[in-house]
Formats: sequence, structure tokens, C-alpha cells
Amino acid sequence: SQQGEEDPQALSIQEGENATMNCSYKTSINNLQWYRQNSGRGLVHLILIRSNEREKHSGRLRVTLDTSKKSSSLLITASRAADTASYFCATDRSNDYKLSFGAGTTVTVRA
Amino acid sequence: EAQVTQNPRYLITVTGKKLTVTCSQNMNHEYMSWYRQDPGLGLRQIYYSMNVEVTDKGDVPEGYKVSRKEKRNFPLILESPSPNQTSLYFCASSLASGQPQHFGDGTRLSIL
Repeated sequence: SQQGEEDPQALSIQEGENATMNCSYKTSINNLQWYRQNSGRGLVHLILIRSNEREKHSGRLRVTLDTSKKSSSLLITASRAADTASYFCATDRSNDYKLSFGAGTTVTVRA
Repeated sequence: EAQVTQNPRYLITVTGKKLTVTCSQNMNHEYMSWYRQDPGLGLRQIYYSMNVEVTDKGDVPEGYKVSRKEKRNFPLILESPSPNQTSLYFCASSLASGQPQHFGDGTRLSIL
């Protein structure tokens, strides 16, 4: 079953704007990761946030985690055309060694 | 260069003809995993391996087999492929369970 669900499914923004996407999950986790995928290529790891962390930054990326609501958000600031991609959250569940991905958010950045 | 290599990249085959997709990593990672990606469903984990000779089912293991005889290799075997296994497959590896995964470039399988 799908552990994570991203929202929205698709997002279209102008270059320079911020993009925000959300991820909700069902069971308790050890950590949550975000990945980027360009047009059918392999996924690339962006950032990992542990269950005892609330916020993490990496360059133009900001991730928050609310374990009480079982949700996370990914903010991309000052977006660029190169940020056009699909973004996936992945949860490392506490009770097994599986990694569960959501269906992804497709982000289009218009020049 | 650190990488996960999958072969073949593309394959069109027929129902029932056994096939193997190879996966190799050069990072000495302990954890390896296979995923399939279908439109609207994201990535679903097929099998994973915590280390040599240790494999376990993911969320969609039916119709697939794996083996982990060496640390670097984790082949995916479809003994009797069916059309519902037409998909984009990814192999990934990481230092350990729950750590950032390095993905291969994918294998697009079409089973007629």
C-alpha cells in the first residue's frame, strides 16, 4: 500500500517564485526523504529529515516535518527552469526496513 | 565514479519468457532494492536486501525473484513475465536501510 501521498499532483509556477509541496504518510517513521526525478530518469536524493527533527535546509530547499500530523512539506525557493521535475517523498517506516514512496508532485517552472 | 548500473535499459519480450535484469553498484553499499514505477502510482518496492544472502519482500513482490550472492550485485528475475509487469524498473542502493538511495538509470520493460 502507498505510505506517502504528495499534494498537489501537479504544480506550475513562474521562474523566481517559490514552490511548495506536501507529503502525508500513515505509519510512524524513522526518517523522511525527498527525491527529484527528471523525465523518467533515476531518482536523485535531495534531503533527509529524521523523525526528531522539525526543519532542515539545503541550499534553496527547506523541508519541514510534523510527526503529530504525519506530514512533511518541501519548499523550493526562487525556482529555476532546471527545477522542472517530479518530486517524491519517501518514508523509512519504523517497523520494517522498507522504503515507501508517494505518487509524486510534478513541478513545471515557466521561464 | 559512484554508480548503480542496470542492464538492459530497454527490453521488449513476450509473455512467459524468463528474463533477468542485472544491477550492480560500486559503492560497497549493504542495502539494495528494486522498484517499479507506474503512472500515477509512484515507486513501489518489489524486493530489498539488507546484505549478502539477506533478501525480503517489498510491497509488490508477486511474480519476481531476487538473489544477493555478492554485495555488489542484485539481479531481478522474472520467471514467467506477464503483461502486467510492463513497467519502468529501478535498482537502488544505500549504505544501510533508511539512508539516502542511489538510483540506477532505469530499465523499461515491455511484455507483450
